[in-house]
Amino acid sequence: GIQVEQSPPDLILQEGANSTLRCNFSDSVNNLQWFHQNPWGQLINLFYIPSGTKQNGRLSATTVATERYSLLYISSSQTTDSGVYFCAVIPYNNFNKFYFGSGTKLNVKP
Amino acid sequence: DTAVSQTPKYLVTQMGNDKSIKCEQNLGHDTMYWYKQDSKKFLKIMFSYNNKELIINETVPNRFSPKSPDKAHLNLHINSLELGDSAVYFCASSQLGGNTEAFFGQGTRLTVV
Repeated sequence: GIQVEQSPPDLILQEGANSTLRCNFSDSVNNLQWFHQNPWGQLINLFYIPSGTKQNGRLSATTVATERYSLLYISSSQTTDSGVYFCAVIPYNNFNKFYFGSGTKLNVKP
Repeated sequence: DTAVSQTPKYLVTQMGNDKSIKCEQNLGHDTMYWYKQDSKKFLKIMFSYNNKELIINETVPNRFSPKSPDKAHLNLHINSLELGDSAVYFCASSQLGGNTEAFFGQGTRLTVV
């Protein structure tokens, strides 16, 4: 099946810092989403972004489908940004199954 | 209104028991899923239903039996629970085809003792 790799696996930031999370995938995709799993375990939708660029407040994401990667940018980080960020893709050849990356665990310190 | 809701949020039970987790979505989606998150936070699909019909069954032990009474509901019944079944189970929904946004429930943390 498709491989989804996220980097870095762990990230510690001081409040106010910026960061970039990366998701590489090994095949063409129909769907790519970024999720934030907060400390209470909820999976929060951040972006549905199979291609292009989107922004939502301090967060933005870019997917370059032809080069098989996506980036999530977090600016002016806050302690509430802490948690695990997952990238998940649905490949063209298996269109009803999300493949998740192993996540980036972010800890924002005050 | 919660888009995808699961009950219960927490479930603690003894080995050998049978338990069910319920899921409902009010998004009008035609496809629903169960995912399992293990202790290392890895998420993997278990089942997928489209319009009440099973379309994905990912080599899950047959002690796990999903049931979809209608396209807005997908329940998960687990027989003879084992310690290794302890995990967080997520329900999700989307439209068939995978090219629309999927939404996840808040998860059910199952602990088998």
